[in-house]
Amino acid sequence: QITLKESGPTLVKPTQTLTLTCTFSGFSLSTSGVGVGWIRQPPGKALEWLALIYWNDDKRYSPSLKSRLTITKDTSKNQVVLTMTNMDPVDTATYYCAHIDIGATMEFDYWGQGTLVTVSS
Amino acid sequence: QPVLTQPPSSSASPGESARLTCTLPSDINVGSYNIYWYQQKPGSPPRYLLYYYSDSDKGQGSGVPSRFSGSKDASANTGILLISGLQSEDEADYYCMIWPSNAHVVFGGGTKLTVL
Repeated sequence: QITLKESGPTLVKPTQTLTLTCTFSGFSLSTSGVGVGWIRQPPGKALEWLALIYWNDDKRYSPSLKSRLTITKDTSKNQVVLTMTNMDPVDTATYYCAHIDIGATMEFDYWGQGTLVTVSS
Repeated sequence: QPVLTQPPSSSASPGESARLTCTLPSDINVGSYNIYWYQQKPGSPPRYLLYYYSDSDKGQGSGVPSRFSGSKDASANTGILLISGLQSEDEADYYCMIWPSNAHVVFGGGTKLTVL
């Protein structure tokens, strides 16, 4: 059974760096084709894809946010970490991590419950 | 990044069918892409429903009823999610998604489906 859970601060101040951790079980990020992505959703708004890391440490970023994002993995801990620099109130959102298997049909098939991050002074 | 256009809202009555659309920009041919669909209910994460490329290349998410199906309208450059036999539990937000390249992902703006 695949599960994912996001953790991190619920409140950050403008200009600070956000660090979120996705802890997962039921799969390994050392398995060929497997990846973990981050997607966010501002309150009442649409989903926005942020970043993706694959089993081979290949990393992909949203072109519009690339300069602010870093995604890393710790395979031994079954964790993926996303950092976002220079946070702004518009970055207030629920942040989700999700499993993907590009050896299949490349959908985000398992999602965490999400963690709400508020950016405010 | 390309913008996937979804109508903000749609409505239908129980037992009827709902046809939700996802229009790609004119410089991206819908025929070349898998269209993925997700359902999201308030307070819950998105749930993967299905993907559609063609009638011979499509897939259903685990446990997703067959009354959810996908298709394309090439003339409108649009992906379509069809929900037949609408039930009250189908009331939710629906998002489409594509991979414009193998390097990034784009979601549509979402459609709020109301079951009258």
